[in-house]
Amino acid sequence: DGGITQSPKYLFRKEGQNVTLSCEQNLNHDAMYWYRQDPGQGLRLIYYSQIVNDFQKGDIAEGYSVSREKKESFPLTVTSAQKNPTAFYLCASKRQWFSGNTIYFGEGSWLTVV
Amino acid sequence: QQQVKQSPQSLIVQKGGISIINCAYENTAFDYFPWYQQFPGKGPALLIAIRPDVSEKKEGRFTISFNKSAKQFSLHIMDSQPGDSATYFCAASNRETSGSRLTFGEGTQLTVNP
Repeated sequence: DGGITQSPKYLFRKEGQNVTLSCEQNLNHDAMYWYRQDPGQGLRLIYYSQIVNDFQKGDIAEGYSVSREKKESFPLTVTSAQKNPTAFYLCASKRQWFSGNTIYFGEGSWLTVV
Repeated sequence: QQQVKQSPQSLIVQKGGISIINCAYENTAFDYFPWYQQFPGKGPALLIAIRPDVSEKKEGRFTISFNKSAKQFSLHIMDSQPGDSATYFCAASNRETSGSRLTFGEGTQLTVNP
């Protein structure tokens, strides 16, 4: 089945550690996005990529990094510089960044700092 | 301004009633207005969307009303059912800027009592 796969579903991070969240899509979509969800704050954009080997900062990029080496993959690294990383992270994709097509979301990954 | 303001934060409706969620935006360049439905622990899924050239769009029990002059749009859920209990997000985007990223409202937690 086509879709967006995020892994792991649950992840625990110790203070000072970097962790990487995986996002893979087999929809042949050009654009991919990472959102962070906190209770009562909606979804906030971390990074987005319109095409392979290109990505742009969103509204809350500090403490995060991404790469887009393959069309189907857009991993997010939460670095130790992110002071409050505990949240629900959502990866999304869209067929073409310039079109009005639907943005599809993955099932999300929960990150908790211990 | 890229903000989208959503209200109410939470809503309780009896089975069979009408649920109404409102959103307001400031950026007149927005040209796509979707509503997403999210169940606990899952990614958001597109429910219905509208473009500013129409004032209303209906899909089954779900209707979007759009008021371009007031820069407001709303979601109406007719004959609300317990299975509609979820968090609803409005969003807006402009296909020509910033990767056509979505800007989300803060979300409304809907509870439909049996």
